[in-house]
Amino acid sequence: AQSVTQLGSHVSVSEGALVLLRCNYSSSVPPYLFWYVQYPNQGLQLLLKYTSAATLVKGINGFEAEFKKSETSFHLTKPSAHMSDAAEYFCAVSVTNTGFQKLVFGTGTRLLVSP
Amino acid sequence: EAGVAQSPRYKIIEKRQSVAFWCNPISGHATLYWYQQILGQGPKLLIQFQNNGVVDDSQLPKDRFSAERLKGVDSTLKIQPAKLEDSAVYLCASTKSGRVNEQFFGPGTRLTVL
Repeated sequence: AQSVTQLGSHVSVSEGALVLLRCNYSSSVPPYLFWYVQYPNQGLQLLLKYTSAATLVKGINGFEAEFKKSETSFHLTKPSAHMSDAAEYFCAVSVTNTGFQKLVFGTGTRLLVSP
Repeated sequence: EAGVAQSPRYKIIEKRQSVAFWCNPISGHATLYWYQQILGQGPKLLIQFQNNGVVDDSQLPKDRFSAERLKGVDSTLKIQPAKLEDSAVYLCASTKSGRVNEQFFGPGTRLTVL
């Protein structure tokens, strides 16, 4: 079954430091992969998505992710963290069942940014 | 373009009571999803509608949860009776035609069961 694993439930960085949030996927077919961000008391917002085009995907707010098939990874990065990046981040993979797609999410990583 | 609307935003009930959540998807979106997000976990799909038909309810606890989308537009998710472990955020999402790469989420309803 297709799934994603997010390593680290919490990641702490200083403002201006590199952000790296890890996601590994398990899929028997080429996957569609997503990163979502969730701010407190809000819904999920799409950061970026990989849909089998370019392996380096750029998203909103300066985030990017690279699809690495050999490592079955789709890690999220940002060169310089801002205080406003503090939120919960979810990696997700698309699953097709009976012709319909759905998302399977990881357990999430909370990003903490200190001044 | 208006987003996915959900109400109420917050609900507190006692165990064994009933509760209902409402979702109005983006206009023209045929596919509607209900997710359950327990604190500290990622969202889990409960049920997926295509227009007014159910295409996936494999993870819906059918002994206590029910959902409907009678006219293929807005949807209601009901829990009867609620248990303590139902405390979670219930997220609604929609897409034009089942394409998850174009899925939009509502703000969610936070349910607390005491």
